[in-house]
Amino acid sequence: EPEVTQTPSHQVTQMGQEVILRCVPISNHLYFYWYRQILGQKVEFLVSFYNNEISEKSEIFDDQFSVERPDGSNFTLKIRSTKLEDSAMYFCASTPADEQFFGPGTRLTVL
Amino acid sequence: RKEVEQDPGPFNVPEGATVAFNCTYSNSASQSFFWYRQDCRKEPKLLMSVYSSGNEDGRFTAQLNRASQYISLLIRDSKLSDSATYLCVVNMVQGGKLIFGQGTELSVKP
Repeated sequence: EPEVTQTPSHQVTQMGQEVILRCVPISNHLYFYWYRQILGQKVEFLVSFYNNEISEKSEIFDDQFSVERPDGSNFTLKIRSTKLEDSAMYFCASTPADEQFFGPGTRLTVL
Repeated sequence: RKEVEQDPGPFNVPEGATVAFNCTYSNSASQSFFWYRQDCRKEPKLLMSVYSSGNEDGRFTAQLNRASQYISLLIRDSKLSDSATYLCVVNMVQGGKLIFGQGTELSVKP
């Protein structure tokens, strides 16, 4: 059964550094998303991507964040200058239409 | 008012028990409704979509009441493996962002 994959599973970085989180969505899916979950809190939407452009973004997704689909398979989230409060699980998801399927997540720890 | 609100939990039940989770959503224009389960520090996994007519998948039954903006999930004959956090999720448009509730933790004991 096809699944969303994410790398790395855990990323530790220093405050102010740039990080790139990578995702490979399910191949025939059209919509891609990033969500995050701070420990003990609910899952929060960051950004959605369709037809090679951002279709919606949340207030969390400020100028420090960007997304890219550099080729036909990868979907990346970049944080330019990480802050302590960016520490969270970051989940990628994809869907052909409605039901979204999540990757295993990247745990980002900012020191 | 929270966009999606769930029972705070946790629910601690014995094996074989029937347990019900409740959820309300604030935006009457919400289009699609789901229950996801999330194991500790893992990704949300789709349990089932929820339809106005109600739907059942084995031991799991989901109901939607659009007039009351209320969603429920019933688990019958609970198993140890059902222990997880259950997430009530809605979205506004096809392909749109998912809006998650805080989740209700279920612990099934032998």
